[in-house]
Amino acid sequence: QQPVQSPQAVILREGEDAVINCSSSKALYSVHWYRQKHGEAPVFLMILLKGGEQKGHEKISASFNEKKQQSSLYLTASQLSYSGTYFCGTVRQAGTALIFGKGTTLSVSS
Amino acid sequence: DTAVSQTPKYLVTQMGNDKSIKCEQNLGHDTMYWYKQDSKKFLKIMFSYNNKELIINETVPNRFSPKSPDKAHLNLHINSLELGDSAVYFCASSQRSAAEAFFGQGTRLTVV
Repeated sequence: QQPVQSPQAVILREGEDAVINCSSSKALYSVHWYRQKHGEAPVFLMILLKGGEQKGHEKISASFNEKKQQSSLYLTASQLSYSGTYFCGTVRQAGTALIFGKGTTLSVSS
Repeated sequence: DTAVSQTPKYLVTQMGNDKSIKCEQNLGHDTMYWYKQDSKKFLKIMFSYNNKELIINETVPNRFSPKSPDKAHLNLHINSLELGDSAVYFCASSQRSAAEAFFGQGTRLTVV
């Protein structure tokens, strides 16, 4: 079952922060975050496993609330290079497929 | 060395034709996927292969068939192409499903 992402789109100026949310109605084994720039393939950002962990990647970090089956991606002090579409992907059980949400388009301007 | 490679990058064909897209990974991964990305950018999973065994098939028309000659290859065959098949098709691989997935560069299929 497909995870639900919000918001659909975010417009920022350089230096501003953003949060992208991902939720599932089913229990999850892991949550994955990817970024895709126009005309390119999705690129891996990070994985969060059940256990409610938080991870960081430069100025991009994420959390996973296992009880609520929700994950959030935090982008701080955004840069122009952060522009793109962010996808949340979920795996319900080990060995099952990676299913993506519909994506959140982030536009950062100077 | 390209980790996941797809060929061709672009494919333009007429309705009713049969076509194939090839995918190869040199990462030694056990799991490979095919995703379809339409004009709305939704990444829809089509097939997932784990050690050459199909483990999921998401309501994809049977005109689409995955073929895996070995663990490093997962090809996509499409019969009787329709206009609605136009999209970008991505192949991906990962060591296991709950691990980083590496994507190929995509194949833009246009059916006219």
